[in-house]
Amino acid sequence: GAVVSQHPSWVICKSGTSVKIECRSLDFQATTMFWYRQFPKQSLMLMATSNEGSKATYEQGVEKDKFLINHASLTLSTLTVTSAHPEDSSFYICSASPTGAGNQPQHFGDGTRLSIL
Amino acid sequence: RKEVEQDPGPFNVPEGATVAFNCTYSNSASQSFFWYRQDCRKEPKLLMSVYSSGNEDGRFTAQLNRASQYISLLIRDSKLSDSATYLCVVTNYGQNFVFGPGTRLSVLP
Repeated sequence: GAVVSQHPSWVICKSGTSVKIECRSLDFQATTMFWYRQFPKQSLMLMATSNEGSKATYEQGVEKDKFLINHASLTLSTLTVTSAHPEDSSFYICSASPTGAGNQPQHFGDGTRLSIL
Repeated sequence: RKEVEQDPGPFNVPEGATVAFNCTYSNSASQSFFWYRQDCRKEPKLLMSVYSSGNEDGRFTAQLNRASQYISLLIRDSKLSDSATYLCVVTNYGQNFVFGPGTRLSVLP
């Protein structure tokens, strides 16, 4: 149980393109999902906390107008990288745990490798 | 000071060796603790939760010392497949999951 699906797994696109990444909880509902970014040989960095039915909470230094998050249902959160540039190339990962699970561990999607040319 | 700190690594050990990773956290209100492993270019996967009384899962043993705000992971009889980055994760009622920077382990033949 507790499977998180992330799509797409790999994206290569031109600079200036907007890219949407989906994160789905397949067998549970998640009021909250988390979006991370990881550059090569660096640790995971939390970008934002996605809240179902309300605005996302962004970490300091993360531009909310650049990284649009929509959490329209209890099983789906999307991250849109708007007008992506080469410096946005990174590994983006989402995570979630069942609503009301308290201190249960997070389950991660497979990640999306984004390459901007 | 970072909220979660780990041994800087990397650790290069021969097969069969015993290796221990350390992690400290600064938020005394932290409630739950986990160890994840992350293989190169993959997402983190849960290795084990860490309980106050300490817990063991096969070759892996996790310990928690709340007074010292310290967590450890011990791997016995290392296998080549144990090579990965090990991430310490600390959370407070699921509201804020904080990852440590990770410690890279390479098990050598």
